[in-house]
Amino acid sequence: DVKVTQSSRYLVKRTGEKVFLECVQDMDHENMFWYRQDPGLGLRLIYFSYDVKMKEKGDIPEGYSVSREKKERFSLILESASTNQTSMYLCASTSSSNQPQHFGDGTRLSIL
Amino acid sequence: GDSVTQMEGPVTLSEEAFLTINCTYTATGYPSLFWYVQYPGEGLQLLLKATKADDKGSNKGFEATYRKETTSFHLEKGSVQVSDSAVYFCALRRNNAGNMLTFGGGTRLMVKP
Repeated sequence: DVKVTQSSRYLVKRTGEKVFLECVQDMDHENMFWYRQDPGLGLRLIYFSYDVKMKEKGDIPEGYSVSREKKERFSLILESASTNQTSMYLCASTSSSNQPQHFGDGTRLSIL
Repeated sequence: GDSVTQMEGPVTLSEEAFLTINCTYTATGYPSLFWYVQYPGEGLQLLLKATKADDKGSNKGFEATYRKETTSFHLEKGSVQVSDSAVYFCALRRNNAGNMLTFGGGTRLMVKP
């Protein structure tokens, strides 16, 4: 069965800290995505990657960066966390064919 | 750009009631359309999809028909159960953008026994 694993369910950090959110998939998928989920706004795409070492900006990349050193792992980085980055973060992956995205269970991040 | 609009929730129904959650979209061309469901404490799961006009997606008693003329993809279920309580997201796959999705704001459904 498809499995997308996010390293933390809940995370609390302080303003100005550098924060890493990790995502691993076991399906050999080429495409991986990071979204944030906020009430009433649905999911908004932050960054995505079509292959190892490749990354593309999504709709709201400001304040974030990503890393894809291995095919199965896609990391989201908050360079200097701010309170407006408090949110639920969801990782997803899919193969390069016309297939649906598979989601992890999410990381609820609070920035104090 | 592409956008998806869903009815705001929460939607509160009694068990066995009929459910409709409205979804309309704005996009160029003919995007594929999806409904995802998020149960409490979990990530999103694909519920159903439709890839062309007049297609009907169905799963677990839920249905949605791709209506090009009204740019809609409303989700329906004839008889909801308490276990259907979740947040439902309508989404479209952007044309010529690989597997990128645009999501609606989500609609929370609460079903009471």
